[in-house]
Amino acid sequence: GQQLNQSPQSMFIQEGEDVSMNCTSSSIFNTWLWYKQDPGEGPVLLIALYKAGELTSNGRLTAQFGITRKDSFLNISASIPSDVGIYFCAGPGGTSYGKLTFGQGTILTVHP
Amino acid sequence: DVKVTQSSRYLVKRTGEKVFLECVQDMDHENMFWYRQDPGLGLRLIYFSYDVKMKEKGDIPEGYSVSREKKERFSLILESASTNQTSMYLCASRRTGGGYEQYFGPGTRLTVT
Repeated sequence: GQQLNQSPQSMFIQEGEDVSMNCTSSSIFNTWLWYKQDPGEGPVLLIALYKAGELTSNGRLTAQFGITRKDSFLNISASIPSDVGIYFCAGPGGTSYGKLTFGQGTILTVHP
Repeated sequence: DVKVTQSSRYLVKRTGEKVFLECVQDMDHENMFWYRQDPGLGLRLIYFSYDVKMKEKGDIPEGYSVSREKKERFSLILESASTNQTSMYLCASRRTGGGYEQYFGPGTRLTVT
């Protein structure tokens, strides 16, 4: 199946720092999704991207759909302790019924 | 507001038991999915259903089956639980024609001893 490589695998940062993570695909995507999973909970959709070059914000979060259509980036500005969790990228996982393929996730730890 | 619920947050079962995990969505979505999540492996698709009584295997269907008798409910069945099925199980739903966005339940952490 399609592979998504997400990096970094984990990040340890101080409160107030900015965070960047990215995801690359072996094939071209027409959609990129970013999810956040709080500890012990299910993933929650943060941002959906539909167009190459698109830049979309959700509060302190900004995501970009790479112009090659094979990558995407998520930035978090001025991190706070509640940003802790696992961040997943996802893209179309096949030709049928909206299947998704997910990156391995970036574990974010924020020190107060 | 989108709502996906799962029958249990935590479950402990013995090897060889038959296990049922239930998922209910109230958004009238056609598509429903079951994933398992293991550290370092991300989310892996077990089975999905694109309509009532319709199902397709995902990437790791071995040892699992599913049932979808009603549109809002999608059940994952472990016919004979094994210790390597200890994992976090996540259910999701999606509206046909609604883009690729999937909406997840809170998860069931299953331990098989």
